[in-house]
Amino acid sequence: AQSVAQPEDQVNVAEGNPLTVKCTYSVSGNPYLFWYVQYPNRGLQFLLKYITGDNLVKGSYGFEAEFNKSQTSFHLKKPSALVSDSALYFCAVYYGNNRLAFGKGNQVVVIP
Amino acid sequence: NAGVMQNPRHLVRRRGQEARLRCSPMKGHSHVYWYRQLPEEGLKFMVYLQKENIIDESGMPKERFSAEFPKEGPSILRIQQVVRGDSAAYFCASSLSFEQYFGPGTRLTVT
Repeated sequence: AQSVAQPEDQVNVAEGNPLTVKCTYSVSGNPYLFWYVQYPNRGLQFLLKYITGDNLVKGSYGFEAEFNKSQTSFHLKKPSALVSDSALYFCAVYYGNNRLAFGKGNQVVVIP
Repeated sequence: NAGVMQNPRHLVRRRGQEARLRCSPMKGHSHVYWYRQLPEEGLKFMVYLQKENIIDESGMPKERFSAEFPKEGPSILRIQQVVRGDSAAYFCASSLSFEQYFGPGTRLTVT
């Protein structure tokens, strides 16, 4: 069965430091992978996706994610975190018939 | 092009009442999904619908919950005889294929 694991509950990082949010997945076939961000009292916003091609995917707001097939991972990264990046981040995997399975989410706190 | 619309944004119901949550997908999108979000529990899939059809309702509680997406009008998530445990944020998403776009959510509070 398909699943997404986001092992850390909360990620704390100082402003200006690199930010990494971890995601591993399990799915049959070639994975289609997504990252979404949720700001307080808002819906989820699409950040980026991996379908095929380059393992390094660039997305909105300076975020990127690296697909690693051997480790079944799709970690989200940003070289220099901003306070405004503080939010809840969700990783998701497509598992057929237009459906996505989401991880439980990671709270990112960027400390000024 | 307007995004996914949900209303109401906030809904307060007393125990035993009915809650109706509405979702208008993005223009041209024929797939609608409902999710529930509880603190500390992440985003839980409830149901996936296409026009006039329920495709996957594996995440829906067996009782009191129902969903529809009629030929005309918004998708409706209906919760009958609400209980305090139904208090949560309910999100709707729509898609053309596998990339989903989310609405702002309806926050249901049961008193």
